Amino acid sequence: EVQLVESGGGLVQPGGSLRLSCAASGFTFSSYWMNWVRQAPGKGLEWVANIKQDGSEKYYVDSVKGRFTISRDNAKNSLYLQMNSLRAEDTAVYYCARGYSGAWYGWGQGTLVTVSS
Amino acid sequence: QSALTQPPSASGSPGQSVTISCTGTSSDVGGYNYVSWYQQHPGKAPKLMIYEVTKRPSGVPDRFSGSKSGSTASLTVSGLQAEDEADYYCSSYAGSNNYVFGTGTKVTVL
Repeated sequence: EVQLVESGGGLVQPGGSLRLSCAASGFTFSSYWMNWVRQAPGKGLEWVANIKQDGSEKYYVDSVKGRFTISRDNAKNSLYLQMNSLRAEDTAVYYCARGYSGAWYGWGQGTLVTVSS
Repeated sequence: QSALTQPPSASGSPGQSVTISCTGTSSDVGGYNYVSWYQQHPGKAPKLMIYEVTKRPSGVPDRFSGSKSGSTASLTVSGLQAEDEADYYCSSYAGSNNYVFGTGTKVTVL
């Protein structure tokens, strides 16, 4: 069974930084694209970033380019999201999700990031 | 990239069918067969219900079905059950390694 557990969320001031982690189990982590998807409070879903199996390709939604960095450690079955220059509009629950044929099959429970002074 | 358009709400009585539309453009829904649908109960993570327009992951009841015509995709839930009450989101590949979600539809079982 796919299990994904996010951590690292919290309250941060505008302009600050935060690093999210996602621990994966129940599948061969190194065989899948991995993603971050976020959901602002009371709003819809937004794809944020993804990373290829070996980390050689990374893609981002325009609104986070240059501020967020996705990475992975296949030896530790872990996915990361380094978030810098955070803005109020980055406030959301951040989900880790396994890529599967243009979709996301297997989601974590999410971690809440609140950007506020 | 603009969000795909879904109706804010849909409803049906137990046993009835409800269909949710997801309208995009030729750059996303109309251009690729990578449309997926997600069910989200309050306070829970989304769950994949349909991928590649019509395919169901293992464990998803065959009451859930997907289709596409031009730039509009649809999710049909047949034989509505109380546990189907949830928010539903569509998503599509939008080219250049970008993905876009729909605005979301709240399904109510009357």
